[in-house]
Amino acid sequence: NAGVTQTPKFQVLKTGQSMTLQCAQDMNHNSMYWYRQDPGMGLRLIYYSASEGTTDKGEVPNGYNVSRLNKREFSLRLESAAPSQTSVYFCASSEYYGYTFGSGTRLTVV
Amino acid sequence: DAKTTQPTSMDCAEGRAANLPCNHSTISGNEYVYWYRQIHSQGPQYIIHGLKNNETNEMASLIITEDRKSSTLILPHATLRDTAVYYCIVRVANDYSGGGADGLTFGKGTHLIIQP
Repeated sequence: NAGVTQTPKFQVLKTGQSMTLQCAQDMNHNSMYWYRQDPGMGLRLIYYSASEGTTDKGEVPNGYNVSRLNKREFSLRLESAAPSQTSVYFCASSEYYGYTFGSGTRLTVV
Repeated sequence: DAKTTQPTSMDCAEGRAANLPCNHSTISGNEYVYWYRQIHSQGPQYIIHGLKNNETNEMASLIITEDRKSSTLILPHATLRDTAVYYCIVRVANDYSGGGADGLTFGKGTHLIIQP
C-alpha cells in the first residue's frame, strides 16, 4: 500500500540542466497533481491532470512541462533549470474527496 | 473556491483538546470543508472533511456551524506528534470522471504547536 511514490527524493542541478521528476500512484485515482512549496509558504499548484489523457496549467506553470504517461504515472519536467525553481516538489492524486500526497522531492538549482 | 481565514499560530498543552477555527463566510452550497495538515517538510495529510453535518473519524472531529460560515477542527487529545501546519480548504468534491479536480488551494494555515 505505497500510495504516491516520488523519485528522486533529493536532487541538485546546475543552472540550465534538465531533469524529470517521477510520480506514480497505486490507488487507481483519476486525478494527479504537481505542487511546489517554497520555504515558509503554502503549496502552489504547477500542473494537474484531471483524468488520463488531459493536463492543465495551475497557478505557476512557467518553466515546467508535464506528461500523464498512463493512469498511474504523472511526470514533471524542467527543461532548463533556474535557481528560482529551487523548491520542494510534491505530487498528489485524488478521487472524490481525498487527496494523497507523496513525500516530496527536494530540488536545489545552483 | 471560497476563501478561508485561519489564525497564524496556536499553542495547546499536550493531552488537552486542540480547537482550530476556520472562517469561510463565502462558502457555496456545494462546497465541502476539508482539513489537511503538514508535519515538518512532509507531504500534506488528509484529516477530515464535511458538508454541513458534524463529522468524526479516528483522527479528529469537525464541527460546522449551522450557517456553514465557520468550522472548528478538534483534536481531542493532542500529542507532540500533532505539531504541524493545519490547512482549512473549501472546495467542491471531484466527480468520478475528474470534473472539478483542479487541485486544492493552500493558504498559509495555522501552525499548531503542542507544548509538553
